[in-house]
Amino acid sequence: EPEVTQTPSHQVTQMGQEVILRCVPISNHLYFYWYRQILGQKVEFLVSFYNNEISEKSEIFDDQFSVERPDGSNFTLKIRSTKLEDSAMYFCASRRGEGSGGRNIQYFGAGTRLSVL
Amino acid sequence: AQSVTQPDIHITVSEGASLELRCNYSYGATPYLFWYVQSPGQGLQLLLKYFSGDTLVQGIKGFEAEFKRSQSSFNLRKPSVHWSDAAEYFCAVGATGGGSNYKLTFGKGTLLTVNP
Repeated sequence: EPEVTQTPSHQVTQMGQEVILRCVPISNHLYFYWYRQILGQKVEFLVSFYNNEISEKSEIFDDQFSVERPDGSNFTLKIRSTKLEDSAMYFCASRRGEGSGGRNIQYFGAGTRLSVL
Repeated sequence: AQSVTQPDIHITVSEGASLELRCNYSYGATPYLFWYVQSPGQGLQLLLKYFSGDTLVQGIKGFEAEFKRSQSSFNLRKPSVHWSDAAEYFCAVGATGGGSNYKLTFGKGTLLTVNP
């Protein structure tokens, strides 16, 4: 069964460093998302991406964050200068596309745990 | 703005007992509703979904949920819990409508412990 793949599973970085979290969405999906979950808190929407551009972003997604689909398979989240409060689990998700029913299901990866020291 | 409330942070049940996890949502139109499960070290796995039609939906692993518009609820149920059901359960509402990105808003989750 197709799945969303995220690497690495755990990333440790120093405050102020840049990190890139990588995701390989399901191959025929068109919409891509990043969510994060700070320990003990709810899963929060960060950004959605379609047709090579951001379609919506939350207030969390400030100028320190960027997303990119550098090729036909990868979808990346970059944090330019990490802060302690960026420590969280980051989930990538993808969705097939327009239409009703199953095309609106988001499939999630296993997540990348980011630890900022 | 959409929101989800899961009133129970932690529930403990005995194996074989029935289970109901509560979820209340707030959304201005007919929502898309989901339950996801997260086992330790794993991602979010979709248990079931409601888009329209029959308000009682069946999911994987023997779970079901009932959409009650009048109560703005989408409670998850299972008649007989197995030890492998121990995990964290998240209810989510998805925005609908033309041009929507269908972003999901999650509840805080309910941690399920199953006693032998």
